Amino acid sequence: GAVVSQHPSWVICKSGTSVKIECRSLDFQATTMFWYRQFPKQSLMLMATSNEGSKATYEQGVEKDKFLINHASLTLSTLTVTSAHPEDSSFYICSAIPGAGGSYEQYFGPGTRLTVT
Amino acid sequence: GENVEQHPSTLSVQEGDSAVIKCTYSDSASNYFPWYKQELGKRPQLIIDIRSNVGEKKDQRIAVTLNKTAKHFSLHITETQPEDSAVYFCAASLPGSARQLTFGSGTQLTVLP
Repeated sequence: GAVVSQHPSWVICKSGTSVKIECRSLDFQATTMFWYRQFPKQSLMLMATSNEGSKATYEQGVEKDKFLINHASLTLSTLTVTSAHPEDSSFYICSAIPGAGGSYEQYFGPGTRLTVT
Repeated sequence: GENVEQHPSTLSVQEGDSAVIKCTYSDSASNYFPWYKQELGKRPQLIIDIRSNVGEKKDQRIAVTLNKTAKHFSLHITETQPEDSAVYFCAASLPGSARQLTFGSGTQLTVLP
């Protein structure tokens, strides 16, 4: 149980275009989902916390107008990278916490490799 | 906010030896400390976690110790095997509804056969 999927697993796009990444909790409802960015040989950096039915909370330094997050249901959160640039190329990983409450464990998606040319 | 420091950044051990990775955290209110193993291009996998009301936890060859007074926690892997080679991350979480994780910088563990 507690499986999180991401789609696509990798994507290549041209500079200036937008890319949408989906994060789904397959067998549980997730009130809270998180989006991370990981550059090569670096740690996971939290970008934003996504709560179902409300606006995402962005970490300092993350442009909310560039990284649009929508958490429209208890099983789906999306991250849209708008007007992508080569410096946005990274590994984007989502995670989710079951909505039953009390759990601290985050379940991670497999990640999406974004390459902007 | 919380800050987590992790050492060493790289660690090489001979197969069968033990490996120890250490982390310190800044916010004494943090109460959840997971450890993750990440292979190249894959998702982080939880290998063990500990709550602040426990000083030590063990799962077969893996153990975690927590010193709340000193605000540091450590991962111990005994009888290392080549398949233990990966990047290991520690993390810390504050209590409350957000439960955001702050990650350490990672340790590249290499187990030499």
